[in-house]
Amino acid sequence: EVQLVESGGGLVKPGGSLRLSCAASGFTFSNAWMSWVRQAPGKGLEWVGRVKSKTDGGTTDYAAPVKGRFTISRDDSKNTLYLQMNSLETEDTAVYYCTTYYYGSGTRRWFDPWGQGTLVTVSS
Amino acid sequence: DIQMTQSPSSLSASVGDRVTITCRASQSISSYLNWYQQKPGIAPKLLIYGASSLQSGVPSRFSGSGSGTDFTLTISSLQPEDFATYYCQQSYSTPPYTFGQGTKLEIK
Repeated sequence: EVQLVESGGGLVKPGGSLRLSCAASGFTFSNAWMSWVRQAPGKGLEWVGRVKSKTDGGTTDYAAPVKGRFTISRDDSKNTLYLQMNSLETEDTAVYYCTTYYYGSGTRRWFDPWGQGTLVTVSS
Repeated sequence: DIQMTQSPSSLSASVGDRVTITCRASQSISSYLNWYQQKPGIAPKLLIYGASSLQSGVPSRFSGSGSGTDFTLTISSLQPEDFATYYCQQSYSTPPYTFGQGTKLEIK
């Protein structure tokens, strides 16, 4: 069974840091492009960033609001994805989802599966 | 960046109704358009990819159409389990992979 399980969320003060983890199982993690997507309370989905597989270069891309503050990394030996969040702002309060970005032929590109999400609250 | 705009933002309908949700891209995205369903407290679920291809396991009452900048998601006969929020998402070219703002489908 394909599974993504996030952890590491919690309450942090503005300006603080937090690292989220996403443990993957049931598929070949090292071949997967992985993303983080967040959802502020009562709001819509916002793509945060992506890391390609190492065979495809292992490069990262980020959404403008988090670029320079957030870092996505992966440890293929542990089948784990990370999101290091620094200089956190109240606007970063959200449920953070880990998801696989399937990059297939033609228009076959989508986010699936998704983890259950982990809540990050930035508040003083 | 490509902006995605959904309409309406919310919609009330009854079981058995036919419902259509629209998504418009700020520039042509060919058929690189996906639809997701999200229920409260649960992660999104992929329904349709490539504008019109049904994801495995998704009921056939869901369908998608469109290309270029204008897309629609249609539910042919609403079931009780379909009341949720629906998001479109473009996967054209390079990131950011933007989502629409969502359409909340409520019971009338």
